[in-house]
Amino acid sequence: NAGVTQTPKFQVLKTGQSMTLQCAQDMNHNSMYWYRQDPGMGLRLIYYSASEGTTDKGEVPNGYNVSRLNKREFSLRLESAAPSQTSVYFCASNIHFSQGWEKLFFGSGTQLSVL
Amino acid sequence: AQSVAQPEDQVNVAEGNPLTVKCTYSVSGNPYLFWYVQYPNRGLQFLLKYITGDNLVKGSYGFEAEFNKSQTSFHLKKPSALVSDSALYFCAVRDGGSNYKLTFGKGTLLTVNP
Repeated sequence: NAGVTQTPKFQVLKTGQSMTLQCAQDMNHNSMYWYRQDPGMGLRLIYYSASEGTTDKGEVPNGYNVSRLNKREFSLRLESAAPSQTSVYFCASNIHFSQGWEKLFFGSGTQLSVL
Repeated sequence: AQSVAQPEDQVNVAEGNPLTVKCTYSVSGNPYLFWYVQYPNRGLQFLLKYITGDNLVKGSYGFEAEFNKSQTSFHLKKPSALVSDSALYFCAVRDGGSNYKLTFGKGTLLTVNP
């Protein structure tokens, strides 16, 4: 029962460094998402992938890129990290129900600090 | 555009008392409304949803929520709070006719005191 697995759990970067956050789900879900969580801001959508081979921008995509490697994996890359990208990052996947709604399943998060 | 407002950053209640966490929304079409809960150092977990039908919906852990179309509200409630209910609660909305992108509120920190 792994669900949604994110790595790493913690990361400290210097301004200008790059890194990739990894996410994998074992529930055979089509859609996957990357959110960031900041105090007083709630969750904001960075990018999402409605299905394997497709990706789309969310509310706050600037400074990020994503790759939907296969149905299981959806990675988030910071090419040149900035202090404004200090946040907690959550990956999620969802299951769609026949009644037309969906339930999100979240990973446990990555706490990223950019100095 | 769709939006969610959670007017209280923090709610404190005594164990055994009823609790309410407030949420109002704005959406152009029919609202699909959700509550998620986040326990410390964990990802969010689904609590309950409203898409159509009865205005009072029941969810996990004894929580329920009341949909009020005229007031565009979807308040989360529980008749008797437990200390273990202490967590961060998020309301979310999307237009029922749109794609599956949810808009989340800023979250309300619920603290239940023993």
